Order: sequence, then structure tokens, then C-alpha cells
Amino acid sequence: NAGVMQNPRHLVRRRGQEARLRCSPMKGHSHVYWYRQLPEEGLKFMVYLQKENIIDESGMPKERFSAEFPKEGPSILRIQQVVRGDSAAYFCASSPRFQGYQGYTFGSGTRLTVV
Amino acid sequence: GQQVMQIPQYQHVQEGEDFTTYCNSSTTLSNIQWYKQRPGGHPVFLIQLVKSGEVKKQKRLTFQFGEAKKNSSLHITATQTTDVGTYFCAGQDFGNEKLTFGTGTRLTIIP
Repeated sequence: NAGVMQNPRHLVRRRGQEARLRCSPMKGHSHVYWYRQLPEEGLKFMVYLQKENIIDESGMPKERFSAEFPKEGPSILRIQQVVRGDSAAYFCASSPRFQGYQGYTFGSGTRLTVV
Repeated sequence: GQQVMQIPQYQHVQEGEDFTTYCNSSTTLSNIQWYKQRPGGHPVFLIQLVKSGEVKKQKRLTFQFGEAKKNSSLHITATQTTDVGTYFCAGQDFGNEKLTFGTGTRLTIIP
């Protein structure tokens, strides 16, 4: 049973380019969450999605950032016109509809470097 | 909005010593969860506490949830080098699937 799959593991973008981060949740998990982690810092909530729905995007910057979780395929976090400050590790997590005592399952993350 | 703070931010201990990290939420929580992140790795779920005053143990790890469901602690007895990493608490509000992560405590072990 594959865990949460994120790709790419590492992504280098020049300032002004677009970054697309992909996340496939664990089989049977319907909830996807995106978190951002700056070096030596904690995890900051960005967005919570279910299939075809954004449930909570209170942590998303108002501009340049968007997320989707289509009916088919992985969840995508898109960052347009990247800037140096976007450099961070972006983690995706998934959970089943009723978490029970399982908590979140995290992917290995995408390390984005903007040069 | 909800804030979750942890202290200390860093802790260096000799191998074999005990370690404790404390977590405080600005709001009453539905449940609190603990995660461990190894250097260069991703967070891994350790445990969830739901009941007021709950205490759970996992081998050398003891987790507590405060009576008011606003604070929690993780205690590791007789640390080992494999305990190295950052320990995060994460709080969940009632009726909200979102987890708010604490600031984390980074544990390093001196062999």
C-alpha cells in the first residue's frame, strides 16, 4: 500500500517561472492538506482539499498560489511567478474521511529552490 | 486564529538523559497529535490524544493531554541517538479537520 507520493522531490525554478507540485494521497484517503516549511521552522498550513473541492484555503497567500484536487489524478499546488521567498519544503498530507487515531500521513515533500 | 506554541525550541541532551517538550494552545482543542521529523525527512505521526487528562505511553515515550485540553507534553526517558529529530505537537479544533502545528522542539543527542 503506497504512502503519500509527492513529486518532484526537488525543484529548481528561476524567479518568475511557475512551479507545479504534485501529490497523490494514500489509497482510500479523501482529504489532502498542503503545508509549507521554511528552513529551521515549523509547518504552516496552506490549504485543505477534498475531491473537486477546496475546503479551507485560509493559509494560502492571496496571489500567485492556487491548489486543486481534481476528480481524477493528483492534487496540484501551483505557484506562479515564483520569488526567492517561495523557497521552502512543501509537504502534502492525506487522511481518511474519519481520521480516528491515524493522524495525517505525510509525503516526502518537494524542496523548492528559487534562483 | 489558533496558535500552538512549544518550548523549548532546542534541547541538547546527553545520551541516556531524559527529555521533555511542552505544547500550549491558545484555544481548547478537540484532540492533539504528536509528530516526529528526522533531519531532512518528513513528519511522521506518533500518537493522538483525545480525552482530558489522558496519558499514553509508547515504550520510552509518555504523552499527556492537559485537563483543560489546551496543553500537552511529550517525555522521553533515557534518550537514544535514534531519538534525534524535531518533535511537533499539532492541535485540532472542534469541527475542523485542519491541524495547526506547534513551533517544534529540536532534539539533539550528545553521545
